[in-house]
Amino acid sequence: LAKTTQPISMDSYEGQEVNITCSHNNIATNDYITWYQQFPSQGPRFIIQGYKTKVTNEVASLFIPADRKSSTLSLPRVSLSDTAVYYCLVGGYSGAGSYQLTFGKGTKLSVIP
Amino acid sequence: SQTIHQWPATLVQPVGSPLSLECTVEGTSNPNLYWYRQAAGRGLQLLFYSVGIGQISSEVPQNLSASRPQDRQFILSSKKLLLSDSGFYLCAWNGLAGAGELFFGEGSRLTVL
Repeated sequence: LAKTTQPISMDSYEGQEVNITCSHNNIATNDYITWYQQFPSQGPRFIIQGYKTKVTNEVASLFIPADRKSSTLSLPRVSLSDTAVYYCLVGGYSGAGSYQLTFGKGTKLSVIP
Repeated sequence: SQTIHQWPATLVQPVGSPLSLECTVEGTSNPNLYWYRQAAGRGLQLLFYSVGIGQISSEVPQNLSASRPQDRQFILSSKKLLLSDSGFYLCAWNGLAGAGELFFGEGSRLTVL
């Protein structure tokens, strides 16, 4: 399983764009890159997923360079409600039919008014 | 639409007592099912996953066990709880078409005293 490395914490002011970068040097060919958001005492919630280049949805963008050894989650104009822990995961089929997804420690984003 | 439920939401148990946490998924068939644990202030640790009835894979040797008696039911158990079993337990599922997108339950917070 590919191991991921991301900053432990980040602070940002409201209205700013936040970029969280994740390193995954050992990503496998069939691995996808997925980002989750977790609020206290809740299960993580899927934000965005990509394989290569750029993916954008209504809440975030995901930038993946050609070598796929890192990825950057971009949150436009954050608000206080974006304060949460953000996890970067890489994973694919384990060969036994399930997706093996390993969560790291995540990045705790604190949005300051 | 698919939903996932787990219970109980909160429980306090003495050391040495048994444990049973239950998770059920609705609206899908043959899901991959997962149990994660999150200790206070830490990331999620994958405990068990299952690709089908009676098929359990353990990621971390420990005091816990899992069973899948029905297609959409996943149970986490312990015969004798330890203090270190305290944490936030999350059940999750995904399907083969999900490419790694996990859907989490509401979580069960266990405190062992």
